[in-house]
Amino acid sequence: KAGVTQTPRYLIKTRGQQVTLSCSPISGHRSVSWYQQTPGQGLQFLFEYFSETQRNKGNFPGRFSGRQFSNSRSEMNVSTLELGDSALYLCASSSYATGDTEAFFGQGTRLTVV
Amino acid sequence: AQKVTQAQTEISVVEKEDVTLDCVYETRDTTYYLFWYKQPPSGELVFLIRRNSFDEQNEISGRYSWNFQKSTSSFNFTITASQVVDSAVYFCALSALTHPRNNNDMRFGAGTRLTVKP
Repeated sequence: KAGVTQTPRYLIKTRGQQVTLSCSPISGHRSVSWYQQTPGQGLQFLFEYFSETQRNKGNFPGRFSGRQFSNSRSEMNVSTLELGDSALYLCASSSYATGDTEAFFGQGTRLTVV
Repeated sequence: AQKVTQAQTEISVVEKEDVTLDCVYETRDTTYYLFWYKQPPSGELVFLIRRNSFDEQNEISGRYSWNFQKSTSSFNFTITASQVVDSAVYFCALSALTHPRNNNDMRFGAGTRLTVKP
């Protein structure tokens, strides 16, 4: 069974640009969550999608957005990039509707904003 | 408010030593889940264990064991006879079911970097 796949693995962008990251969950999983990991703030929850609907959102500015497709694949978009957006972005998938299950993480996309 | 505290930033041990990673949590919810994840240098978070708030039984899995105590809001993780391959950052996390919607919003601790020296 394939794991969670995130693309690309590495990305370098310039301030002011926008970026789209992709996440393919484990087959059959309908919940996809996104997290940002930085040395200063640690792991922070961005948002979660379930059956193409955003169910929950963390405390991030509107520049951070996401969506989920009918095949459960998810994308997150960051517009008007800032230096502070440099981070490891992790995607997690889980199979059930509730928090009553473990989340499986991808290897992440390391975004560097210069 | 939900919060997870891992007070130990870094721990260094010599191979074969036992090591305990501490985790203290805060939540007002009566139903919640606690997790431990391992993050090797490759970056992905590897799931180790999940515990729900109604199950205080300790668990052992090979060299790993977990001690869940609701009275002290702690969920500590012990590695027995540590090995070099155990070197990683370990995260404790909390997920509470917030009515009326359930969600997978996990709150992570800051992590503990474990180094096991040969």
